[in-house]
Amino acid sequence: QVQLVESGGGLVEPGGSLRLSCAASGFTFSEYYMSWIRQAPGKGLEWLSYISGSGSHINYADSVKGRFTISRDNAKNSLYLQMNSLRAEDTAVYFCARLRGSGGQYYFDYWGQGTLVTVSS
Amino acid sequence: EIVMTQSPATLSVSPGERATLSCRASQSVSSNLAWYQQKPGQAPRLLIYGASTRATGIPARFSGGGSGTDFTLTISSLQSEDFAVYYCQQYNNWPTFGQGTNLEI
Repeated sequence: QVQLVESGGGLVEPGGSLRLSCAASGFTFSEYYMSWIRQAPGKGLEWLSYISGSGSHINYADSVKGRFTISRDNAKNSLYLQMNSLRAEDTAVYFCARLRGSGGQYYFDYWGQGTLVTVSS
Repeated sequence: EIVMTQSPATLSVSPGERATLSCRASQSVSSNLAWYQQKPGQAPRLLIYGASTRATGIPARFSGGGSGTDFTLTISSLQSEDFAVYYCQQYNNWPTFGQGTNLEI
């Protein structure tokens, strides 16, 4: 069965950096677009970024463009999110998710359990 | 950015009753609309995509409808495990989510 397990969250000071990981299993990882989505405490869901199966096609939400970098290692079945210049408003649970769809029109069919990132001094 | 607006924010329904949740897009998204269920402390679960197609393993009591800008999610006979927060998401453009409807007993 499809499993996505995030790790790497924690407490970081404003302006700091953090790298999240997502370990995938139960499907051919390299064949799927993958994404990061976050949920601030008590709030709704915000899509952040997605990456194609080969890693050649990447997009970001304006809220994180220039600060966050998505990447993947298909040999390790892993997805990553490098987060720099973190702000208090980046505090959230970060989910990785598998995408379905095509042509820039994607929904999310499997999600991990999430990892909490807290940005505070 | 396409803004998704869900109503009501909270819906109180009794087990066995029917629940209808609404989602409106700020511009047409065709049928590129998905619904998710989220329980406390859990990841969202895909229920519906393409506005009306149930995802794998989703019970038939869940049904989606609509196209363009107005969509509904109907749960025909509420079970105890259905009380949760429900989100709609458009994927006609960059993905955006509604703010959620809390379905409570």
